[in-house]
Amino acid sequence: ETGVTQSPTHLIKTRGQQVTLRCSSQSGHNTVSWYQQALGQGPQFIFQYYREEENGRGNFPPRFSGLQFPNYSSELNVNALELDDSALYLCASPELPATTGYTFGSGTRLTVV
Amino acid sequence: AQSVTQLGSHVSVSEGALVLLRCNYSSSVPPYLFWYVQYPNQGLQLLLKYTTGATLVKGINGFEAEFKKSETSFHLTKPSAHMSDAAEYFCAVSNTGNQFYFGTGTSLTVIP
Repeated sequence: ETGVTQSPTHLIKTRGQQVTLRCSSQSGHNTVSWYQQALGQGPQFIFQYYREEENGRGNFPPRFSGLQFPNYSSELNVNALELDDSALYLCASPELPATTGYTFGSGTRLTVV
Repeated sequence: AQSVTQLGSHVSVSEGALVLLRCNYSSSVPPYLFWYVQYPNQGLQLLLKYTTGATLVKGINGFEAEFKKSETSFHLTKPSAHMSDAAEYFCAVSNTGNQFYFGTGTSLTVIP
């Protein structure tokens, strides 16, 4: 079974707060990536986890952090939220075999007020 | 460094007409190239990808794309547009098949 599930679907937070977004992959692959998609823009790579370790990071500050668990679930944590963090956050995981491509979840829409 | 440029942030076509969405890439190594589609309030769905081999790639829903190394292009086409094709389309490049660099997207409108 394939598919990536993200929760929650929508979230509203206040500037300065912290947020945790969750992702679960059914592919059985031990790689997960997170992307930020601002309104009207393409997704931008935040970081990737492989076997519970971060093994690639885009141009995002350290207040963006993540975790990956042995059951193929993952979390994206953002501290000290800023208004510009308002975006759709997408989780992605490779299909098996990985050459098939990546499957993206439907995303979490985060609004910071 | 890798990047993608999508020419035309908005494209309108009549139903039944040819769809052509343009994508040019920059990559220092032979790239993997992808087209994704995004419907409102949804995530990204893979339309097609080029990794190696045949340069004309066929995808889902009647879409295809041709990798042209000399032009550094990977344009997406569909012979006949359908109303259900209205969506946002993203071209992406990767040199590892893992980290993707996306373009800013092209919004396709299909006019009945």
